[in-house]
Amino acid sequence: EVQLVESGGGLVKPGGSLRLSCATSGFNFRDYSMNWVRQAPGKGLEWVSFISSTSKYIFYADSVKGRFTISRDNAKNSLFLQIDSLRAEDTAVYYCAKDPSGTYQYYFDYWGQGTLLTVSS
Amino acid sequence: EIVLTQSPGTLSLSPGERATLSCRASEIVISTYLAWYQQKPGQAPRLLIYGVSSRATGIPDRFSGSGSGTDFTLTISRLEPEDFAVYYCQQYGSSPRTFGQGTKVEIK
Repeated sequence: EVQLVESGGGLVKPGGSLRLSCATSGFNFRDYSMNWVRQAPGKGLEWVSFISSTSKYIFYADSVKGRFTISRDNAKNSLFLQIDSLRAEDTAVYYCAKDPSGTYQYYFDYWGQGTLLTVSS
Repeated sequence: EIVLTQSPGTLSLSPGERATLSCRASEIVISTYLAWYQQKPGQAPRLLIYGVSSRATGIPDRFSGSGSGTDFTLTISRLEPEDFAVYYCQQYGSSPRTFGQGTKVEIK
């Protein structure tokens, strides 16, 4: 069974930093691209970042470029998102989501349960 | 980026009725790269349909997708109590991948 479990969310002040993690199991993590998708409270879904299976390809939404850094550790079956210079508008549930491919950007076939990040003073 | 507009915003129906949800793209979606997701309150989204009309693993056949170009439809043939939720379309033919704003299917 595919499982994605996010952690690391919490309450952070504007301008602060945080690192989100996603622990995975039930599939060959090193073979698949991974993503972060976020959802602000009461709002829709927004794709945030993509990393290919070997970390060769990395992409970000314009709204987070320069502040967010995605990475992965294939030996530990884990995905990460380093978030710096936090803004109030970054407040959201952050989902770890798996791509069905190792290289290209497709749909999201499995999702974690999400971790809530709240940016407030 | 491609903007996806879903309609209606809310659909009020009774169990057993047919639901028809629309997703319109601002540009042609390349290679039928359109997916649909279901999200219930407090839960993560779940993949229903990919490639416009292919059902994901374990998705019942009352869910079907159709369309091409800029106009796409998700149809739920007979609503079950567990189908009342928010539904999102998503395109993955162009970067960045984008979602529609969602359609809420509520019990009438």
